[in-house]
Amino acid sequence: RKEVEQDPGPFNVPEGATVAFNCTYSNSASQSFFWYRQDCRKEPKLLMSVYSSGNEDGRFTAQLNRASQYISLLIRDSKLSDSATYLCAVNGDRDDKIIFGKGTRLHILP
Amino acid sequence: DTAVSQTPKYLVTQMGNDKSIKCEQNLGHDTMYWYKQDSKKFLKIMFSYNNKELIINETVPNRFSPKSPDKAHLNLHINSLELGDSAVYFCASSHYWTSGKVDTQYFGPGTRLTVL
Repeated sequence: RKEVEQDPGPFNVPEGATVAFNCTYSNSASQSFFWYRQDCRKEPKLLMSVYSSGNEDGRFTAQLNRASQYISLLIRDSKLSDSATYLCAVNGDRDDKIIFGKGTRLHILP
Repeated sequence: DTAVSQTPKYLVTQMGNDKSIKCEQNLGHDTMYWYKQDSKKFLKIMFSYNNKELIINETVPNRFSPKSPDKAHLNLHINSLELGDSAVYFCASSHYWTSGKVDTQYFGPGTRLTVL
């Protein structure tokens, strides 16, 4: 099993729809979980950290499922500006190292 | 105010040349990183420095040599450039991990390296 895995997409979703991505991780001892957003030809930027109890930031909701070792990102009422690549990140075989997934591409269609 | 800056933004060079990329952060972080993002967009860690000390050194050819003169700066020197080195190189910084948790990483704008 790869350390961090994501469905590469692309996900083509109409504006206003709800879309969800999952990201699986292999290290059961991982404690840090993040979702980053990367626009074309730009650097990754933190979208949100993922907390054990789940957390919400506006239209974005992140969840952690430790038993099945995955994190999820839900985007409600999607906007054209949500089009980007979403990278999950998890600390890996050592606590101070972050492993990034390959990203899920999202296209919001007008 | 730029938080994490890198120079140059673009670098086009011939195979066999030696080049350097510089990174500076003004966030007061004590840990800095170099990542490589290849053509398939896979973002992979190369090195990490904490307070000028090398703490992560992934399986990277020894043609790549990082150097941290102080905790706000991390440079990357690449010797004998090869075609496969073409990629985007991102610098990042964060507070160091505590209690098994890694803090948020802030990325620079990237250096797009093309080796001809």
